[in-house]
Amino acid sequence: EPEVTQTPSHQVTQMGQEVILRCVPISNHLYFYWYRQILGQKVEFLVSFYNNEISEKSEIFDDQFSVERPDGSNFTLKIRSTKLEDSAMYFCASRRFVSDRRNTIYFGEGSWLTVV
Amino acid sequence: GQQVMQIPQYQHVQEGEDFTTYCNSSTTLSNIQWYKQRPGGHPVFLIQLVKSGEVKKQKRLTFQFGEAKKNSSLHITATQTTDVGTYFCAGTGPSQKLVFGQGTRLTINP
Repeated sequence: EPEVTQTPSHQVTQMGQEVILRCVPISNHLYFYWYRQILGQKVEFLVSFYNNEISEKSEIFDDQFSVERPDGSNFTLKIRSTKLEDSAMYFCASRRFVSDRRNTIYFGEGSWLTVV
Repeated sequence: GQQVMQIPQYQHVQEGEDFTTYCNSSTTLSNIQWYKQRPGGHPVFLIQLVKSGEVKKQKRLTFQFGEAKKNSSLHITATQTTDVGTYFCAGTGPSQKLVFGQGTRLTINP
């Protein structure tokens, strides 16, 4: 079964450092997402990306965050200057169809970010 | 903005007992999805409901989508230890983003 792959699986970084989390969505998918989950809490939407631009973002996704699809296969999330509260599991997800009747979203296994 | 509420937050049952989690959206949904997340794992897609009043079954799991497309439930009959995990509902509203409920963490006494 096709899958979304994420790297790294775990990263520890110092506060104030830049972090890039990488994702390879399923190859024929068109919509891409980043979600995060703080330990023990619910999965929170960060941003959606379609046709090489952000289609929607949440309040969490402030100027410290950016996303990019640099080469047609990778989809990255950059956090410019990490804060302690950025520590969370970050999930990449992708979806094939634009129409909402075929809306299954597939999640990667996550990148666990620890900011110290 | 769109909010999805899920109850209960925790549920502990004896193996063999039934389990139900409920999901309620502040807005009408175009569809609702259910996910299971094991401790330390990622959300795994279980099912999607699209039609008003839809009911779907997967072995011991029964999923319902309300007539108004604002609520949903997941019922597990005769729980087994392999059912342990957190069950999330997630709804798609007017935008294309998927909004998750808080999840119901199910633990089971063997």
